[in-house]
Amino acid sequence: DAKTTQPPSMDCAEGRAANLPCNHSTISGNEYVYWYRQIHSQGPQYIIHGLKNNETNEMASLIITEDRKSSTLILPHATLRDTAVYYCIVRGSISSGSARQLTFGSGTQLTVLP
Amino acid sequence: DTAVSQTPKYLVTQMGNDKSIKCEQNLGHDTMYWYKQDSKKFLKIMFSYNNKELIINETVPNRFSPKSPDKAHLNLHINSLELGDSAVYFCASSLGRGGTQYFGPGTRLLVL
Repeated sequence: DAKTTQPPSMDCAEGRAANLPCNHSTISGNEYVYWYRQIHSQGPQYIIHGLKNNETNEMASLIITEDRKSSTLILPHATLRDTAVYYCIVRGSISSGSARQLTFGSGTQLTVLP
Repeated sequence: DTAVSQTPKYLVTQMGNDKSIKCEQNLGHDTMYWYKQDSKKFLKIMFSYNNKELIINETVPNRFSPKSPDKAHLNLHINSLELGDSAVYFCASSLGRGGTQYFGPGTRLLVL
């Protein structure tokens, strides 16, 4: 699975959009981009994933560049409860049928400020 | 109606003891995982079972033995506990080997 690079920390004002970048320049064609977050002392929480199209759900939006070498997770209206470590993970094809663990990096510590 | 649950939440024990951690999921998933998060906060896969078959077995001391009695349960037994086993252990489950994984709340193990 491709390696990802994320900034170690970011701040965001409450109510503003939080834009978390991720570089995955060695991603291959059948690898997905997943985002998880871990709020202090809790288990990782799934946020969203995508292959090449932009995706949106009730939690966030995922914007993947056309060359797929980078992506941005957008939390449209950050709240204090969004303070967490956000992990960008590249993972092999879902349909491949092979075992696909998640390889976590060090993530981005997002702090939402009041 | 917890999706992935783990017991116990906290476990404090002496070196050399044997202990078990249990995981249960009610999502109807067929694949379950154990991850370890150490003091530096890195999360690493340890084991995975699909339909009670071991499919991932990372480089983990053989003091760690997973057991999956059925698709909804995955337990982790640890023999002869060592100080370095102190960590948070997370269970996860997914539908299929490549499905989205959902995590439990973790078991905080402290070996004294």
